Amino acid sequence: KQEVTQIPAALSVPEGENLVLNCSFTDSAIYNLQWFRQDPGKGLTSLLLIQSSQREQTSGRLNASLDKSSGRSTLYIAASQPGDSATYLCAVKGVTGGGNKLTFGTGTQLKVEL
Amino acid sequence: DAGVTQSPTHLIKTRGQHVTLRCSPISGHKSVSWYQQVLGQGPQFIFQYYEKEERGRGNFPDRFSARQFPNYSSELNVNALLLGDSALYLCASSRTTDKTSGYEQYFGPGTRLTVT
Repeated sequence: KQEVTQIPAALSVPEGENLVLNCSFTDSAIYNLQWFRQDPGKGLTSLLLIQSSQREQTSGRLNASLDKSSGRSTLYIAASQPGDSATYLCAVKGVTGGGNKLTFGTGTQLKVEL
Repeated sequence: DAGVTQSPTHLIKTRGQHVTLRCSPISGHKSVSWYQQVLGQGPQFIFQYYEKEERGRGNFPDRFSARQFPNYSSELNVNALLLGDSALYLCASSRTTDKTSGYEQYFGPGTRLTVT
C-alpha cells in the first residue's frame, strides 16, 4: 500500500527566505508526482507535475525534483513571500491501483511572515 | 475556460440523511474523480469515473456511490450520513484515464459537508 509522508508538518519563515518542502513515498512504482497548494477551506491548485521519467520541473519561483528510486521529492520555493502562505500537498499516481487515483500526503502548512 | 465547478459550496445535513454532491469537469475532460478531505488530513480517493464507467474505487463503505453523465458531469451520493462524513469533498478532472498518461488532475473548490 502506497504511503506518502511530508516533512515538516508546519513551517514558519521570514519573507525572502528560500525553503525546501519534503515528500517521501513508499512504493517507487509511480507514473507521476504532483505538488498542490491549498488555501484554508479551499480546493487544490496544481503547482507542478513531474513524470516518473523526469528529474525536475520548474515554474517561476518553484522547483520540484523527483528521485523515484529513493521515493523522494522536494519542492523548493525561492524568495518566499507572504502570499505563499498555504498548505502544500504532494500526491503520487501509482502504477497499481485503480485509474487516476492519487495518494496524498498530509501536507506542510507554510507561513511566511513579514 | 471555466475550471472544475462543484455545487453546492456548503451543506449542512443531519445524521441519517442522504446527500448529493455535483461536479462539472473542465471542458474536454472525460475523467472525474472524487476525494474526501477530513480537516488536517490529505484528500482520500473515493471514486473515479471515465466515460460513465467506474474505473477506480477507494476504501469507502457502500453508503458512498457515484455516477457520471453523458456530458461527463458527475454526482456523488452518500446515504445514511454519519458524523464522520463531515469533510470537504473534492472533485478532480483530467483528460483521460490512461494509466500511462501524465495528464494533470485539476481540482474544484470543493463542497463543505457538515453532518450534525
